[in-house]
Order: sequence, then structure tokens, then C-alpha cells
Amino acid sequence: DQQVKQNSPSLSVQEGRISILNCDYTNSMFDYFLWYKKYPAEGPTFLISISSIKDKNEDGRFTVFLNKSAKHLSLHIVPSQPGDSAVYFCAASARGGTSYGKLTFGQGTILTVHP
Amino acid sequence: DSGVTQTPKHLITATGQRVTLRCSPRSGDLSVYWYQQSLDQGLQFLIQYYNGEERAKGNILERFSAQQFPDLHSELNLSSLELGDSALYFCASSVGNSGLTDTQYFGPGTRLTVL
Repeated sequence: DQQVKQNSPSLSVQEGRISILNCDYTNSMFDYFLWYKKYPAEGPTFLISISSIKDKNEDGRFTVFLNKSAKHLSLHIVPSQPGDSAVYFCAASARGGTSYGKLTFGQGTILTVHP
Repeated sequence: DSGVTQTPKHLITATGQRVTLRCSPRSGDLSVYWYQQSLDQGLQFLIQYYNGEERAKGNILERFSAQQFPDLHSELNLSSLELGDSALYFCASSVGNSGLTDTQYFGPGTRLTVL
């Protein structure tokens, strides 16, 4: 049961353009969402997060949007740079219960930014 | 560099064997998390320890066990290894027990190959 889904395995974007990475979730108990970036041979690196009480969080070139009614979040990167080329993972966490402290990850989307 | 260290980086062993993976959290972090990333699956949460105590459990096999020591480093023990256990094993750490808003910082991972 894939509770967090990233339906696009890959995305190719021109340098300077916007990259939009999407993520859907099914568990309505999730109320904290994160994006991680991963380069080859390295562990995931935290990028940006959003709590369910917000619908937008911005950090420099990175903005995460949350649509709770649609159970959908997206990561916008503007402008995209070749150094952004990596695998991006969406992750979700729920308050309380046995899920407390546990991150549920999506399958990842490979972003390639062409010069 | 996230500040989380994992040893060894690579491990090659045979089916039926037992291995131990080691993780040192960032200075000051009390929580340690273990994740498994197989080729055909995303990052799967295995288990979390907080200040020496087991805090949350994911889909961890009975053949796997973990512990967190008084100096806060953690070990993941994998026994009766099968071919399907071949994967990247990541350790992450965070400051407190609030997995909800605590950012988890990941180590570089241990690549386990079972032949």
C-alpha cells in the first residue's frame, strides 16, 4: 500500500525554467510533509517542509504547496539550475499513534536540469 | 556533510550470514532512525530509537534487530541474510522525539550486497 506516491519517475527541465515535482498521499492522518534531495552515493538531504496548517512554504528558489482537500503537494524550483539535478523524495509524517516519528517516502522523481 | 556517519560504506556477504551496520548520530541528536532502500522500492522506515529506547517500528523483519547505546550510536543487526536483503541502509538522526517536526538528517548509507 503506497501511501505516498510520486507518479512521475523523471522530469527534464531547461536551466532557468520552473521545475514542478508532484506528490500525492492517501493517508488523511498525515499532517507534516517534507521534500528531500538525493545525489548519487549520498544520503537524502532535507530541502523544505510544510505543516498541514499552511498551504505554502517558501525558501529561496524552493516553494512547497499543499492542497489538503486533494491530498496533493508540489515542489516548485524557480529558476532551475543544473546543480538541482538529483532525485527528489516527498515524505510525510503523522501525529500520534504508531506512525509517530516515522517518515513515509514516495518513490522519488529524477530531476534533470539541462544547461 | 550531514554529521551522521555510517560504517561500513559497503558490505558484501553470503546468504545465511549475519552483519552489523553502525551509525553515529549528529552531535546532540537523541533520535536515530533506520531506513532500507531496495532497488524496486523507495525508502522504507525500519525502526526508531530515542535516547536508548525503541520509539517506533516500521516493517522491520524479525531477522533484523537494532539497538541504541548509551553514547547514542546505534547498530542494525541483520541475520540469516537472504538475496532480497541487498539494499542501501540509511541511518538518520534528529534532535528530539518529535518526529513530526524534527528534521531528520541522513547519513551516506551502507550498501549491502548479499551473494
